[in-house]
Amino acid sequence: EVHLVESGGGFVQPGGSLRLSCAASGFTFTSYAMSWVRQAPGKGLEWVSGISGNGESTYYADSVKGRFTISRDNSKNTLYLQMNSLRAEDTAVYYCAKVNSAGWHFDYWGQGTLVTVSS
Amino acid sequence: ENVLTQSPGTLSLSPGGRATLSCRASQSVSSSYLAWYQQRPGQAPRLLIYGASSRATGIPDRFSGSGSGTDFTLTISRLEPEDFAVYYCQQYGSSPLTFGGGTKVEIK
Repeated sequence: EVHLVESGGGFVQPGGSLRLSCAASGFTFTSYAMSWVRQAPGKGLEWVSGISGNGESTYYADSVKGRFTISRDNSKNTLYLQMNSLRAEDTAVYYCAKVNSAGWHFDYWGQGTLVTVSS
Repeated sequence: ENVLTQSPGTLSLSPGGRATLSCRASQSVSSSYLAWYQQRPGQAPRLLIYGASSRATGIPDRFSGSGSGTDFTLTISRLEPEDFAVYYCQQYGSSPLTFGGGTKVEIK
């Protein structure tokens, strides 16, 4: 059974940094691209970033490009999101999601971790 | 970017009723790379439909997807109590990946 467990969320001041982690199990991690998707309080879903199975290709939404870095450690079955220069508008629940092999849609999701950016 | 517009914003229906949700794209979605998700309160989204019309693993057949190009539809044939939730469409035919704003299906 696929499990994705996020951690690392919390409260941070504007301009600060945070690193999110997503521990994956139940599938061959290195074979699948992964993504981060966020949801601001009471709002809809927003794709944030994605990474290929071998980690060589990364993709970002314009809203986070240059501030966030996605990475993965396939030896640890773990996905990361390094978030720098955080802004109030980055406040959201961040979900880790497994990308389906048939295209960049998301067949499994973690439970999410809340990031709050406020002074 | 390909903007997805979902309508209506809220759909008020009774259990057993039929729900028809619309997702319209600002540009044609290549290869019908369109997915639908269900999100219940306090839960993560769940994949329902991908490739515009293929049901994901374990999804009941009362859920069906259709459409191509710029117009897509999610139909729930007979609403069960657990189907009252928010539904999102997502296109993955072009970068950046984008989601619609969601349709809330509520109990009338």
